[in-house]
Order: sequence, then C-alpha cells, then structure tokens
Amino acid sequence: DVKVTQSSRYLVKRTGEKVFLECVQDMDHENMFWYRQDPGLGLRLIYFSYDVKMKEKGDIPEGYSVSREKKERFSLILESASTNQTSMYLCASSLLGGDIFNQPQHFGDGTRLSIL
Amino acid sequence: TQLLEQSPQFLSIQEGENLTVYCNSSSVFSSLQWYRQEPGEGPVLLVTVVTGGEVKKLKRLTFQFGDARKDSSLHITAAQPGDTGLYLCAGPPGVSNYQLIWGAGTKLIIKP
Repeated sequence: DVKVTQSSRYLVKRTGEKVFLECVQDMDHENMFWYRQDPGLGLRLIYFSYDVKMKEKGDIPEGYSVSREKKERFSLILESASTNQTSMYLCASSLLGGDIFNQPQHFGDGTRLSIL
Repeated sequence: TQLLEQSPQFLSIQEGENLTVYCNSSSVFSSLQWYRQEPGEGPVLLVTVVTGGEVKKLKRLTFQFGDARKDSSLHITAAQPGDTGLYLCAGPPGVSNYQLIWGAGTKLIIKP
C-alpha cells in the first residue's frame, strides 16, 4: 500500500525556534507538496517540488523554506517560528507524467504544530 | 484567481437521511477531485470527475460534474456514521501542471 509518512503527529515549539518537519514517501512520486490546514480556510499550499533539488513557492511561502535532497524526502523548515504558524501541516505526493491534471495527491496524516 | 466554494460549510444529520454537498466555481476546471478527511488523518481521494455532465457512483455516494465543468456535487444516500468527515473538492488551475486549488470543505457529521 502507498504511504506518505510525516515524522511527528504532534509538535510543540517556542517562538523563534527553527523547526523541521520531515516527510517521506515510498511511491517513487516526482511531486511533493507541503500544505497548512486551518479551520475554514481549507488547504493552502506552502511549497512544492517536482524533482530533486527543485522547489516552487506556493500561495503562502513567507516564513518557510523547503529542502529536497532525495526523491523520497521533502522537508519543511520554519526559519524562526512564530505563533501564527500554529497549524496542521500536511505533506502530499503525486505522480508526474501522463494525464497529470488527474493525478491524485496522497497525503500523510499531518503534523499538528503548536508554537508557544 | 480561481476559487472553489463549498457549501454548506457544516452539516449534521441523522443516520439514514440523504444529503447533497456542493462545490462551485465561476471558472472552468478540466477536472475535479473529491477527498474525504477523517479526524486525525490526511485527505483520501474518493473520485475524480473529468467530463462535463459525468456521474460517478461509489456505493452510496454519487458524484456529478456540471455540464459546464464549473461545479460539482456529492450526494450521499442513507448516510451512515462512517460517512462522518471533512469533504474537500479540488481542481487543477488552467496554468499549472502540479498544483491543485482546494475548497474549504464541508464538515459532515452523521449521528447514530
């Protein structure tokens, strides 16, 4: 069965800390995504990557960076955590190629991050 | 900016009732995907609709894509507590090969 694994289900950090969220997929997918999910706002794309070492900004990249050194791993970095970054963070992956508009995204179970 | 608006935002009904939730846009989408997200988990794809007017059935769930490909609906017949969750629609914007635009979701609670 396909799997996207996020390193932590719950995380509590302090304002100003550098925070790393890790995501690993075992499906050999080219595309990987980081979203944050807040009540009433749906999923908002932070960054995505379509290949190793490639990254593209999503809708809300400010305060975040990403790293993709290997195809299966996509890391989200909060450079200096702030309280407004308290949220649910979801990682997803999808195939590239073929009829890519219909490629489903496969999600991890999320990391609920609290910044105090 | 393309938007997907879902309605209602919240729906709580008794087991056995029927319901319909909607996903609407002023823009045309080449396809729309429906996901269900259960508490504590990530969204899981239910279905993708591609052709205008298309109807797809998944057991008691019926998905329809509007003729003009600007809207979609999900109808659940004889809802069960296992249908509880957040239902999200998403579609690819015309200029991007990788991203999806997401609706805010309909939170559905089915009471036993």
